[in-house]
Amino acid sequence: AQSVTQLGSHVSVSEGALVLLRCNYSSSVPPYLFWYVQYPNQGLQLLLKYTTGATLVKGINGFEAEFKKSETSFHLTKPSAHMSDAAEYFCAVSDRGGFKTIFGAGTRLFVKA
Amino acid sequence: DAGVIQSPRHEVTEMGQEVTLRCKPISGHDYLFWYRQTMMRGLELLIYFNNNVPIDDSGMPEDRFSAKMPNASFSTLKIQPSEPRDSAVYFCASSLGGAGPQHFGDGTRLSIL
Repeated sequence: AQSVTQLGSHVSVSEGALVLLRCNYSSSVPPYLFWYVQYPNQGLQLLLKYTTGATLVKGINGFEAEFKKSETSFHLTKPSAHMSDAAEYFCAVSDRGGFKTIFGAGTRLFVKA
Repeated sequence: DAGVIQSPRHEVTEMGQEVTLRCKPISGHDYLFWYRQTMMRGLELLIYFNNNVPIDDSGMPEDRFSAKMPNASFSTLKIQPSEPRDSAVYFCASSLGGAGPQHFGDGTRLSIL
C-alpha cells in the first residue's frame, strides 16, 4: 500500500526567503511522485513530477524537488518566495503500474511581505 | 487544448433534492477521477474510471452517491437524496494512464441547505 505524509499543514515564510515543503512517502515499488498546487477557487495544477532518471526535478514557477530514495522523501523547494506562491500544495504518489494516485493532506503556504 | 470542464461551478439546493454534477475530461485521456474536498477531510477519491468502466468505487460514501461515464467525453456524479453533510467542493480529473499526472477541473462548489 502507498501513503504520503506532508509535514506541516501550514508553513509561513517571508517574501524572498527559502520555501521548503516536506513530503515523505511509502511505497513497496518504485514510485511516481508529484507536487500539485491549488490556488483559491481552482482545481489542482501539476507543479512537477518524478518518474525516472534525474532525481532533481524542476517544475514551473521556479520550484524544484529532489527524490531521495534512502529517505523516502520528495521535498519541494524554491530559493526565493514570491507573494504569488501563497497557495496550498499537495504531494502525491502513484506506482508505475498502478491505477490511482494517493494525495497527501496538503500544506498551506503563507508568504509575508 | 481545453482542460477538464465541470458544471455547474456552484450549486445550492435543499436537503433531499437530487444533485447532478457533470464533467468533460480532456480528449484522449483514458482515466477519469471524481474527488471531494472538505476542510475536515481534505481531498478524497470517490471513484475512478478507466476507458469508461468504473474500476474502484470504494471511496463513494454511501448508496446515495452514484457515478456514470456513458462515453469517453462525459461523466456524471449524482447524489440522491442530498444531505447537508454532502456540502463540499467536488473535483473531476482526467489523466492519460492511471499513474500519470492528473488534470483537474475547477470544481463544483456544492451547498446543501
